[in-house]
Amino acid sequence: AQSVTQPDIHITVSEGASLELRCNYSYGATPYLFWYVQSPGQGLQLLLKYFSGDTLVQGIKGFEAEFKRSQSSFNLRKPSVHWSDAAEYFCAVGHSGAGSYQLTFGKGTKLSVIP
Amino acid sequence: EPEVTQTPSHQVTQMGQEVILRCVPISNHLYFYWYRQILGQKVEFLVSFYNNEISEKSEIFDDQFSVERPDGSNFTLKIRSTKLEDSAMYFCASSTTLGTDTQYFGPGTRLTVL
Repeated sequence: AQSVTQPDIHITVSEGASLELRCNYSYGATPYLFWYVQSPGQGLQLLLKYFSGDTLVQGIKGFEAEFKRSQSSFNLRKPSVHWSDAAEYFCAVGHSGAGSYQLTFGKGTKLSVIP
Repeated sequence: EPEVTQTPSHQVTQMGQEVILRCVPISNHLYFYWYRQILGQKVEFLVSFYNNEISEKSEIFDDQFSVERPDGSNFTLKIRSTKLEDSAMYFCASSTTLGTDTQYFGPGTRLTVL
């Protein structure tokens, strides 16, 4: 069965520092991978997605993620964090069910940014 | 930019009561979903809906749950007799097509069962 692991529950970084959020997945076929962000009181906003092709994916707000099949990972990165990036980040794998399609999420990583 | 909306933002109910959570998906979307997140746990798939019928449901989605698209804009999740363990954040999502298309999520309804 498919699963997603985000090993870091909470990460704190200084504003301007680089960021990497880890995501490992388990899925039998070629995965469709997503990163979503949730700010307080907001819904889940898509940051980026990987379906195929270039393993380095660019997203919104300056985020990127790299798909590494050999490591079953899809880590999210940002070279310089802004205070407004403080939020919770969810990695997800998409998979087809019986005539449907659903996302399996990780538990999320809460990002705090200190000035 | 079009967005998925959900009402209410917070619902408090007594155990055993019925609740209806409402969602307005993006207008040209055809596929609709409900997910939930119990505090401190993962976001979990509940059900998907297409062409006025359930496409797939998880084992969480038992007979106490139902979904409906009563008109051309709303998509509802009903819990007939709420239990304490139904307390969670419920997210609605929609997408234009099946498969690799992006699911757009609403802000969620926090359900508290007392």
